[in-house]
Amino acid sequence: AQSVTQLGSHVSVSEGALVLLRCNYSSSVPPYLFWYVQYPNQGLQLLLKYTTGATLVKGINGFEAEFKKSETSFHLTKPSAHMSDAAEYFCAVSYYRDDKIIFGKGTRLHILP
Amino acid sequence: SQTIHQWPATLVQPVGSPLSLECTVEGTSNPNLYWYRQAAGRGLQLLFYSIGIGQISSEVPQNLSASRPQDRQFILSSKKLLLSDSGFYLCAWSLGQGAGNIQYFGAGTRLSVL
Repeated sequence: AQSVTQLGSHVSVSEGALVLLRCNYSSSVPPYLFWYVQYPNQGLQLLLKYTTGATLVKGINGFEAEFKKSETSFHLTKPSAHMSDAAEYFCAVSYYRDDKIIFGKGTRLHILP
Repeated sequence: SQTIHQWPATLVQPVGSPLSLECTVEGTSNPNLYWYRQAAGRGLQLLFYSIGIGQISSEVPQNLSASRPQDRQFILSSKKLLLSDSGFYLCAWSLGQGAGNIQYFGAGTRLSVL
């Protein structure tokens, strides 16, 4: 069965500092992996996705994630945090035969001035 | 381009009253459609999904039901709301298998049951 674990329900970083949000997955078949962002009282917006090919995936707003099969991880990073990055971030897993996505519980990112 | 509409944005309902939330998608055909509920600290819970008209899969036994009367319309209903039905409800669509399974979300409905 597929599952997603996001380490840390809340993460705080200073403006300009590195953002690192951790995600580990469990899947018995090659996964599709996603990061979504949710701003307050809004729906989820896709940040980036990994399906096949290059393991370093670049997304919108300067975010990127690296698929590491050996570590079953798909951590999200951004070199320099901006105040506008404050939001909740969801990691998710799926695979090509499935119509559903399994979401993690989310990590709320706080940016300190 | 494709767009997804959800309404209403907010709703306050008394316990025991009925519920109807509507979601429509424009700019695509035969999408997969999904209803999620989001509670604080609990992530997204998939409630129902549909791969076609009249085809509804229920993920969680509960006080809610879903219907898909038209290809791009998905409705979430309840005959009698419970306090525990409060939450943020999100509708989403995707093109399903072979398209990377990306889901696109509506803006959500904040439901408060009092």
